[in-house]
Amino acid sequence: NAGVTQTPKFRILKIGQSMTLQCTQDMNHNYMYWYRQDPGMGLKLIYYSVGAGITDKGEVPNGYNVSRSTTEDFPLRLELAAPSQTSVYFCASSYDLQGRYTQYFGPGTRLTVL
Amino acid sequence: ILNVEQSPQSLHVQEGDSTNFTCSFPSSNFYALHWYRWETAKSPEALFVMTLNGDEKKKGRISATLNTKEGYSYLYIKGSQPEDSATYLCALCATDSWGKLQFGAGTQVVVTP
Repeated sequence: NAGVTQTPKFRILKIGQSMTLQCTQDMNHNYMYWYRQDPGMGLKLIYYSVGAGITDKGEVPNGYNVSRSTTEDFPLRLELAAPSQTSVYFCASSYDLQGRYTQYFGPGTRLTVL
Repeated sequence: ILNVEQSPQSLHVQEGDSTNFTCSFPSSNFYALHWYRWETAKSPEALFVMTLNGDEKKKGRISATLNTKEGYSYLYIKGSQPEDSATYLCALCATDSWGKLQFGAGTQVVVTP
């Protein structure tokens, strides 16, 4: 199993540009998450999904959109990039939503908005 | 938003020494506490999921305890090695936030030879 994979690993955007961060998992997990990690701030939840076609906002959803058309894929869309979106983005998946099972994280995407 | 605090923010340990650090959280609506180990330039990896008051978990030289009544968990590293250098994250799952984890800011551990 590859686990959770993310592309790209690094990206530099100009202010106002858009991009999609890709996330794929091969563990047949229904539950998937997007986090951002800012220095000294831990991980903050952007969006999550409980299954194909179902998504919901996390703690910091503004400026982002998600979709979940398949169990495997959970892309994160940035529209009109802003310097405040400079961060490291992690995708994760888990077996259930009830918190008793660990989340498996992808390798991260380091995004810089200039 | 749940207030999950970790202390200290960072610590330096001599190789061979043991150390411990704390995760504090609101005790009401507790469901589960997760510990993750996060090495620089890598992704967080799960250490433990703890659900019951008094739980103790162990993985090699790393162990954790849980007190849900007073709202804290300790992570212990026995006989620290340089490969233990990492940021250790705790994350709380509450009964009203199903599966959504609230992460602390982490404790960065640096083990020097």
